[in-house]
Amino acid sequence: SYVLTQPPSVSVAPGKTARITCGGNNIGSKSVHWYQQKPGQAPVLVIYYDSDRPSGIPERFSGSNSGNTATLTISRVEAGDEADYYCQVWDSSSDHAVFGGGTQLTVL
Amino acid sequence: QITLKESGPTLVKPTQTLTLTCTFSGFSLSTSGVGVGWIRQPPGKALEWLALIYWDDDKRYSPSLKSRLTITKDTSKNQVVLTMTNMDPVDTATYYCAHYADYYFDYWGQGTLVTVSS
Repeated sequence: SYVLTQPPSVSVAPGKTARITCGGNNIGSKSVHWYQQKPGQAPVLVIYYDSDRPSGIPERFSGSNSGNTATLTISRVEAGDEADYYCQVWDSSSDHAVFGGGTQLTVL
Repeated sequence: QITLKESGPTLVKPTQTLTLTCTFSGFSLSTSGVGVGWIRQPPGKALEWLALIYWDDDKRYSPSLKSRLTITKDTSKNQVVLTMTNMDPVDTATYYCAHYADYYFDYWGQGTLVTVSS
C-alpha cells in the first residue's frame, strides 16, 4: 500500500515562508492534494492537482511536486494559518485514497 | 452551494454495527464523475480514508477495513449510507463524508463523533 510521509511539525515566524513536505515513492507521477484543518473543524481543500487553488484560497498558498517529494508552500505566513495540513493522493494501483500523517504548522 | 451533513449514533457498543448517513445538497450523485466518500479521524490522530461510492454505483473500500464496510446510496434522497460492522473502541473517531471529484475531496461535512464504549 502506498505511504505518504509528512513531518509531524513545522514552525515558522509570521511573515516568513512555511514549507510542508509530503514524501512518497515517485510521488511526482501522482497528483497531490492538500487540506488544511483547524482545531475542531473539518478539513478544507487548499491545493489540488499539485498546484491549483480552489476559489477563495489565498495566493499565498502554492504547491509543487517532483520526484519523491511534494511541497505545500505558504508565503507571508499569518497567525490564522496555524493548523494541521494533510496531503492526499489517489493510489491508482490499489484504487483508493491515501492521506499523509499530517503536519502541525505552528506560527511562532 | 454544496453542503453535506453526517448523522448517526454518537455512542455504540463494542461488536455492534455502526450506520452513518450523509445527507447532501447542491449536487446530484447521478452526475457523471461525482462521488461521495467517507473519511474518519480518531481523536488527535490523522485522517483515514474509508470508502467511496461513485455516481454509477461503483464502490471502493479501504483495504484494511474492506471486510467491515458497506457503502450505499439513495440518489432520490440525496443520501449515502456507510455501515461498519463489529465496532471496537479503536474505531472511536470523528466520521466525515465528503464530495469527491477527480481524485480529491472538495467539500466536507462537519463530521460526527462516534464513541465506541460499553
